[in-house]
This record gives sequence, structure tokens and C-alpha cells, in this order.
Amino acid sequence: AQKITQTQPGMFVQEKEAVTLDCTYDTSDPSYGLFWYKQPSSGEMIFLIYQGSYDQQNATEGRYSLNFQKARKSANLVISASQLGDSAMYFCAMREAEYTGTASKLTFGTGTRLQVTL
Amino acid sequence: ETGVTQTPRHLVMGMTNKKSLKCEQHLGHNAMYWYKQSAKKPLELMFVYNFKEQTENNSVPSRFSPECPNSSHLFLHLHTLQPEDSALYLCASSHLAGNNNEQFFGPGTRLTVL
Repeated sequence: AQKITQTQPGMFVQEKEAVTLDCTYDTSDPSYGLFWYKQPSSGEMIFLIYQGSYDQQNATEGRYSLNFQKARKSANLVISASQLGDSAMYFCAMREAEYTGTASKLTFGTGTRLQVTL
Repeated sequence: ETGVTQTPRHLVMGMTNKKSLKCEQHLGHNAMYWYKQSAKKPLELMFVYNFKEQTENNSVPSRFSPECPNSSHLFLHLHTLQPEDSALYLCASSHLAGNNNEQFFGPGTRLTVL
């Protein structure tokens, strides 16, 4: 069975600083996909970044990058130059099978609440 | 309307009521999902629809009944709910083709069962 672990229930970071949110995963599938989502207080889950298990390079999307260490089964999210609007819950999720033509079943972690301070 | 919309945004119901949650996606996707988000628990996948066909029922009690009349609309019919069913219910949609086919979520319906 797949499992996602986020060990940081809450994190604080000063504005303009970088922050790393931890995510470790467990799966027996050789092929999988890893996602990070942001959930502001409004409730909507916003997709941030994706990493496929066969991707050779770490994924980057603007200020977001994913530190993918396959051997350690970790997929940490790095947010650079934090902004006040980054304050939210952040969820790591995993989907079995990196390439799929079927509806994907996501397994989520418990999330990390990030608070950006002045 | 753009993206994924959900109505109502808030719902309070008694245990004997019958209500329905509605989800609509304007993204041309062909898969839709219902998730339940309870306090301090990971999101739980409830149902998956693939081209209007239900492909996953994650051991959800029968008091939750999904309906997917077409690939753009998804309903969750609720009846005789329990207080522990109070949660945020999130709808999502995705393409089936492509590499990452990330799921796009709606804003959710905050349900309170009295």
C-alpha cells in the first residue's frame, strides 16, 4: 500500500527566505508520480508541482522546486523567496504509475501548515 | 465559469435530511473525483469516475451516493448522514491522457451534520 508522510505539522518562515517542506513516501510500485498541492484557507487545493519517478531532473515551477531523492524516498518541496500569500496548508501526494491513461488515485499526506511572517 | 466549481459552498443538514452536492468542471476533463477532508486527517478518496463510469468506490457507506450524468458534472447525494460525516467535500477532475494528468480541485463544500 502507498503511504505519504509529512512530519512537520507546522512551519514558520520569514518573508523573502526559502523554506523546505518535507515529504517521504513508501510504495512498492516502480513507477509513480509525486505532487504538491497548496490549500489556502478558502479550501481549494491548488496544484503546484509534479515529479515523475523516472524523471532525471528535479522539477521546478517558478519559486517552487522539488528536491527528489529517489533512494531515500523523499520529495521535499522548496519554496524560494517566501511571500505572505504563501501562508497555507501544503500537501504532498502520490499516484501509482507515472504514466497512465486511466483516472489516477492520489494518496495524500496529512499536510504542513506554513506561516510566512514579516 | 472556469475551472472546477462546487455548490453549495456551505451546507448544514440534519441526520434525516436528503441533500445533494454538485460539481461542474469546465476544463474538458474526462475523469472526476470526490474526496472527503476531515480535520487532522489526510484527504480520503471516495469515488472515481472515468468517462462517466465509476471505477473506484473506496469503501464508502451507502448513505453517500454519487452520480455522474456526463463528463462535466458530478453529484454526491446525501441521506441519513451521521455527525462524523461533517467535513469538507472536495471535487476534482483530470485528463486521462498525458504524463502527470494532475487533478484540479474545486473550492469544496463545507458540510455540517447536526
